[in-house]
Amino acid sequence: GENVEQHPSTLSVQEGDSAVIKCTYSDSASNYFPWYKQELGKGPQLIIDIRSNVGEKKDQRIAVTLNKTAKHFSLHITETQPEDSAVYFCAVPSYGQNFVFGPGTRLSVLP
Amino acid sequence: GAGVSQSPSNKVTEKGKDVELRCDPISGHTALYWYRQSLGQGLEFLIYFQGNSAPDKSGLPSDRFSAERTGGSVSTLTIQRTQQEDSAVYLCASSLGGTVRREKLFFGSGTQLSVL
Repeated sequence: GENVEQHPSTLSVQEGDSAVIKCTYSDSASNYFPWYKQELGKGPQLIIDIRSNVGEKKDQRIAVTLNKTAKHFSLHITETQPEDSAVYFCAVPSYGQNFVFGPGTRLSVLP
Repeated sequence: GAGVSQSPSNKVTEKGKDVELRCDPISGHTALYWYRQSLGQGLEFLIYFQGNSAPDKSGLPSDRFSAERTGGSVSTLTIQRTQQEDSAVYLCASSLGGTVRREKLFFGSGTQLSVL
């Protein structure tokens, strides 16, 4: 089955700095790559996604880059703010219609 | 409704008791997922419903776990003879559904289950 890993597992940055989280997967047939943000006490919320026919997508301060050859994609957050502190999950479609989620990265933005 | 609704938000039960967790998906969403999240861990897939198709039960950890989806809308996850290792947050998600694996999932806030 699909194997999804994330690095790092925890990340602390100063407010205003950039943060990068990397996700690697095993199934080369995957063609859709979302990132979810989970705040304390809430369910995950989709923040950005990318299809396999593009290499990068931006939405204001967040971006996702995809390297299909190497089977990894990354979340980039620029000009980090305290409200960016959360757990971030990548996900990859698996057999059937379900998604396999990465183990999560806890991001702390220090004021 | 405006989003995916789950109830109860918290459930405390005694070992050996049965529990039922409810999920009310976004109106019009044909796909519904259940995931389990243990403390500080990632999301573990449990079961997936798509329209009138047979559900994908491949993630259910044991035969104590079952789920139903009535009328293509509300879903109930039932755990029989609960064990302490069942303690976790149970998350429900829905999506528009379709034949391509490019679905945006909308999650509820989850049910925190504590088995004493």
